[in-house]
Amino acid sequence: DAGVTQSPTHLIKTRGQQVTLRCSPKSGHDTVSWYQQALGQGPQFIFQYYEEEERQRGNFPDRFSGHQFPNYSSELNVNALLLGDSALYLCASSFSSQRSTDTQYFGPGTRLTVL
Amino acid sequence: TQLLEQSPQFLSIQEGENLTVYCNSSSVFSSLQWYRQEPGEGPVLLVTVVTGGEVKKLKRLTFQFGDARKDSSLHITAAQPGDTGLYLCAGINTNAGKSTFGDGTTLTVKP
Repeated sequence: DAGVTQSPTHLIKTRGQQVTLRCSPKSGHDTVSWYQQALGQGPQFIFQYYEEEERQRGNFPDRFSGHQFPNYSSELNVNALLLGDSALYLCASSFSSQRSTDTQYFGPGTRLTVL
Repeated sequence: TQLLEQSPQFLSIQEGENLTVYCNSSSVFSSLQWYRQEPGEGPVLLVTVVTGGEVKKLKRLTFQFGDARKDSSLHITAAQPGDTGLYLCAGINTNAGKSTFGDGTTLTVKP
């Protein structure tokens, strides 16, 4: 049973460019959350997708957008990249009942470097 | 905004020593989770504590949730080099559907 997978593993971009990161959830999971983890810090919640819609959003600008597909996989898009966007981007999947969110499992992350 | 403060930020000890790391907040959480993260990998869940005052043991690791569900501690007995890593706590509010992480404690256990 494959866990959460993310691609690419590493990515180097320049300021102003756009980037798309991808995540496939653990089998049986229907909810995907994205986190940004800067060096030396804990993960910061970006947003969560459930039933192909953004269900929750953290304190991130509109340059950060996402999408969830019918197969529950998800993409994170970042436009107009800034140097400060350099970080490890983590995807976490879980199974959501109507009233609660079960334990989430994290992927290995995508290391984004903006030059 | 709910914040979780973890202490100490860094901890370096010798193999065989005991240690405790802390996770504190002014906010109440539905539950609290502890993760361990190694370089280049995502966080791996160690435990979830739900009830105020709850104590859970995982081999040499003991986790405690404060009575008021605002704080937690992780105690490691007889630390081993394999315990080296970043220990993160995350508070969860079920209705919010998201986790709020602390900045972690970086533990180094020297052989």
